[in-house]
Amino acid sequence: DVKVTQSSRYLVKRTGEKVFLECVQDMDHENMFWYRQDPGLGLRLIYFSYDVKMKEKGDIPEGYSVSREKKERFSLILESASTNQTSMYLCASSLYFPSEQFFGPGTRLTVL
Amino acid sequence: DQQVKQNSPSLSVQEGRISILNCDYTNSMFDYFLWYKKYPAEGPTFLISISSIKDKNEDGRFTVFLNKSAKHLSLHIVPSQPGDSAVYFCAATLGASAGGTSYGKLTFGQGTILTVHP
Repeated sequence: DVKVTQSSRYLVKRTGEKVFLECVQDMDHENMFWYRQDPGLGLRLIYFSYDVKMKEKGDIPEGYSVSREKKERFSLILESASTNQTSMYLCASSLYFPSEQFFGPGTRLTVL
Repeated sequence: DQQVKQNSPSLSVQEGRISILNCDYTNSMFDYFLWYKKYPAEGPTFLISISSIKDKNEDGRFTVFLNKSAKHLSLHIVPSQPGDSAVYFCAATLGASAGGTSYGKLTFGQGTILTVHP
């Protein structure tokens, strides 16, 4: 079974803080993704990576950056958290394109 | 610009009856479609998929229908069970002909909350 884990289930941060969200997958998948889920908007792709040290912008990359130093780990960074980044953040991985993506449990981030 | 739309925010059905969840898309370059189910406090889990070369795919109680001319797909659940109560997302991806890194990106709909009453 593919397992995608995220470092925190719930996180509360202050406006202006730098925030790190970590994601690890254990199935040697090439591709990893970061989404945010908001009511009425579904899942929106922030960034994805198809190889170590490679990254591509998704549909809403503004205010975010990512890091992929190792194949199994993909980090999402909020350089200066803002209240409009309060959301559910979901990490996913997939073996190849196109194929089903396997999701982690999500991190509920609240920015005060 | 919402390229994948689920126009029904919610659906309520009785246990044992059919649930039909609908999804419309605007980009004719999409050629692979997926349905995901999401329970509260969990990540989405893959349910079923269909390639654009097919018009139907079936897996147990779940069947996905694709109408390319109408740019419409639907998920049928028969019979519906209370454990099916969840948020359902449809997603679409561009084919290899899209080129570059657009290939393989999933575009999701807004989701439909399904409630199955005992």
